[in-house]
Amino acid sequence: EAGVTQSPTHLIKTRGQQATLRCSPISGHTSVYWYQQALGLGLQFLLWYDEGEERNRGNFPPRFSGRQFPNYSSELNVNALELEDSALYLCASSLVEGYEQYFGPGTRLTVT
Amino acid sequence: GDSVTQMEGPVTLSEEAFLTINCTYTATGYPSLFWYVQYPGEGLQLLLKATKADDKGSNKGFEATYRKETTSFHLEKGSVQVSDSAVYFCALSEEENTPLVFGKGTRLSVIA
Repeated sequence: EAGVTQSPTHLIKTRGQQATLRCSPISGHTSVYWYQQALGLGLQFLLWYDEGEERNRGNFPPRFSGRQFPNYSSELNVNALELEDSALYLCASSLVEGYEQYFGPGTRLTVT
Repeated sequence: GDSVTQMEGPVTLSEEAFLTINCTYTATGYPSLFWYVQYPGEGLQLLLKATKADDKGSNKGFEATYRKETTSFHLEKGSVQVSDSAVYFCALSEEENTPLVFGKGTRLSVIA
């Protein structure tokens, strides 16, 4: 069974640009979570999607947004990029009835 | 709100040494507890979990016991190997299918 996949692996953007990150969950998983892992800050919860709806968001500004498609894949958009947005962005998926989250390999975003 | 506190790293051990990484939590309810591991350059992998008091999670020689009375979930391994070098994250989830709350992570380096 394929795991969670993310693309691209690396992304280099300039300050002020927009970035789009993509995630495909494990087959059968309907929930997708996005986390930011910035250097020295640990893992911070960003966004949670389930059945196409945004269920919750962490303490991040509105320029972090996303969506979930009918096939449960998800997209994270970061507008007006700032230097401090440089981080590893991890996507995770889970079943509706379950605690366990399964993570993808991440997208490393570098803002210059 | 909920929180997870892990011992500060980095932790450096010789091969075959005993490992303990302390983790304590604060939660309003009765959470499920997890240990995730992140190998260099990779995403997070679920290492083990426990969903109720006195449960012992175990995997790959690692163990952790859910101690409700001390709100702890310490990770242990009797004999570490160089291949165990990674960052270890303790996490909790209060309800099914909700975002995880992570500790800041503990970097383990095992030297031959």
